[in-house]
Amino acid sequence: DTAVSQTPKYLVTQMGNDKSIKCEQNLGHDTMYWYKQDSKKFLKIMFSYNNKELIINETVPNRFSPKSPDKAHLNLHINSLELGDSAVYFCASSQDLSAVPRGEQYFGPGTRLTVT
Amino acid sequence: GQQVMQIPQYQHVQEGEDFTTYCNSSTTLSNIQWYKQRPGGHPVFLIQLVKSGEVKKQKRLTFQFGEAKKNSSLHITATQTTDVGTYFCAVTQGGSEKLVFGKGTKLTVNP
Repeated sequence: DTAVSQTPKYLVTQMGNDKSIKCEQNLGHDTMYWYKQDSKKFLKIMFSYNNKELIINETVPNRFSPKSPDKAHLNLHINSLELGDSAVYFCASSQDLSAVPRGEQYFGPGTRLTVT
Repeated sequence: GQQVMQIPQYQHVQEGEDFTTYCNSSTTLSNIQWYKQRPGGHPVFLIQLVKSGEVKKQKRLTFQFGEAKKNSSLHITATQTTDVGTYFCAVTQGGSEKLVFGKGTKLTVNP
């Protein structure tokens, strides 16, 4: 019973292609996130959705488009892939954005994207 | 935006030695979280500190939040090979909805 799952685990593709990564959480959380972890292990938030509504949109190229069909799913579509997009992408969820203090985040296993 | 400095970037120890990683901020933090990422794995939540001067323990791990709520530390006593991984602190500031991660401290333990 994986709490936060992502597919695929590995993705190897060529420059210029379009690809999607899917994420699902079965924790009943309201908020979901996408993070990018580069080769230096730096973990940076890309997007956040709360109850299907986009609330955080960092300075990310518009080739990246998140979609949340319902609050249990947050997918990431990437157009025209570039070499610099190679990284590990983590999906995460947390219970309630308005909770004080902020609740912990639960991370998925990650998707290692390699662009050749 | 909120920045947090985490040091050291790398730490290599002999099994049985202690280990400490530090996170520092120039501004007052509302809370701080700590995560551990094993090699090839994903970040896993360890703990959250909220109160000024707070100290929490989890077995061999001791977490501290500074009196001024501008710094925090994670100390591991008598490291074991199972402690290897990268330890991240993560902070929010005020009403920010964003969790900002430190750059992490990668711990390796020589058996």
